[in-house]
Amino acid sequence: GAVVSQHPSWVICKSGTSVKIECRSLDFQATTMFWYRQFPKQSLMLMATSNEGSKATYEQGVEKDKFLINHASLTLSTLTVTSAHPEDSSFYICSATQRSGELLGRGETQYFGPGTRLLVL
Amino acid sequence: QKEVEQNSGPLSVPEGAIASLNCTYSDRGSQSFFWYRQYSGKSPELIMFIYSNGDKEDGRFTAQLNKASQYVSLLIRDSQPSDSATYLCAVNMGTNAGKSTFGDGTTLTVKP
Repeated sequence: GAVVSQHPSWVICKSGTSVKIECRSLDFQATTMFWYRQFPKQSLMLMATSNEGSKATYEQGVEKDKFLINHASLTLSTLTVTSAHPEDSSFYICSATQRSGELLGRGETQYFGPGTRLLVL
Repeated sequence: QKEVEQNSGPLSVPEGAIASLNCTYSDRGSQSFFWYRQYSGKSPELIMFIYSNGDKEDGRFTAQLNKASQYVSLLIRDSQPSDSATYLCAVNMGTNAGKSTFGDGTTLTVKP
């Protein structure tokens, strides 16, 4: 259980184009979804927190107009990188949280998707 | 001071040895603690979580939590070369549901 998928797994695009990445929780309804970015040999960087039916909460320094997040349902969140540039090339990873009776009130477990590797030429 | 601190490593242990990975956190109100493994080029995968003081065992992995000292550790017994990866510690306050704060990770190398 607790499987999260991402599509596409990798994408190459020209500078100036927009790229949409989908994140789906396959066998559970996710309370919350998160979007991360990771550059080579660096740590995970949280970009935004996404809840179904509400606006995403962006971390400081992340441009909300550049990284559009839509959370259409309890199993689907999308990240659109608008007008992508070479500096946006990175590994984008989503995660989804699942409520666990054992952790009730203490937090939720995050399950990560396999990631999407973006290369902007 | 970072909210969640881990030694960056690399930590190198011989095959069959016990690998000990440590994590300290700054917020005493933290409720739950997670260990993830991330292979190079891959996304993190959950190993286990802990929320009560003491030890929690799962196969070759043991998580240890000491809230008074604000540290959590992960022991890997009988380390294998396939355990070579970066290990991420994550801390959750409990009040904001799934949002956890991640450490930068410790890179472990298990030498055959």
